[in-house]
Amino acid sequence: RKEVEQDPGPFNVPEGATVAFNCTYSNSASQSFFWYRQDCRKEPKLLMSVYSSGNEDGRFTAQLNRASQYISLLIRDSKLSDSATYLCVVNAPLGFGNEKLTFGTGTRLTIIP
Amino acid sequence: GAGVSQSPSNKVTEKGKDVELRCDPISGHTALYWYRQSLGQGLEFLIYFQGNSAPDKSGLPSDRFSAERTGGSVSTLTIQRTQQEDSAVYLCASSLKGRVGLAPRLETQYFGPGTRLLVL
Repeated sequence: RKEVEQDPGPFNVPEGATVAFNCTYSNSASQSFFWYRQDCRKEPKLLMSVYSSGNEDGRFTAQLNRASQYISLLIRDSKLSDSATYLCVVNAPLGFGNEKLTFGTGTRLTIIP
Repeated sequence: GAGVSQSPSNKVTEKGKDVELRCDPISGHTALYWYRQSLGQGLEFLIYFQGNSAPDKSGLPSDRFSAERTGGSVSTLTIQRTQQEDSAVYLCASSLKGRVGLAPRLETQYFGPGTRLLVL
């Protein structure tokens, strides 16, 4: 089983709609979770961290479900500029106080005018 | 401030040649990662440096791949005897993250623009 799994998509969604992605992780000891965004032919950039209680940043809401080991990203009132690949990122404890972040392969989102 | 820089931005080489890719992380960042991303694919973890600890090399695809990080700063990824399947974008990222328990924001990875490698 992959450490971090995402539905690769593509998700083709009309402008203004709400879209949600899930991501599952295998390491129950994981402590930190993030969503990154990657535009075509660009490097990934942090979109938002995911906190235990869930958190919201404008049109974006992130949730964590530790029991089921998944995180989610909800985008409301989607804009054309939201078209990108969304990468789920989870830490993986390595022992001796060290950790390593593991990226999912990403979910491709296209917003249709 | 300056972000992560990588050089060269593009590299075209012939099969069988060796290549060196360079990464300059953000000053003060203790963690440095190398990833590979093939066209239309996700990020493939290659190697991770954390401070003075032994690097995590678990993602290196073969013994043709090696990396160094000198003085806890600049890193070089070397690919020996390149093959066509090595063609990809090689991304470097750095973060402040040093130890378990630090605030998640300190784990934010800042990526360089990548080196696009094409092996003919």
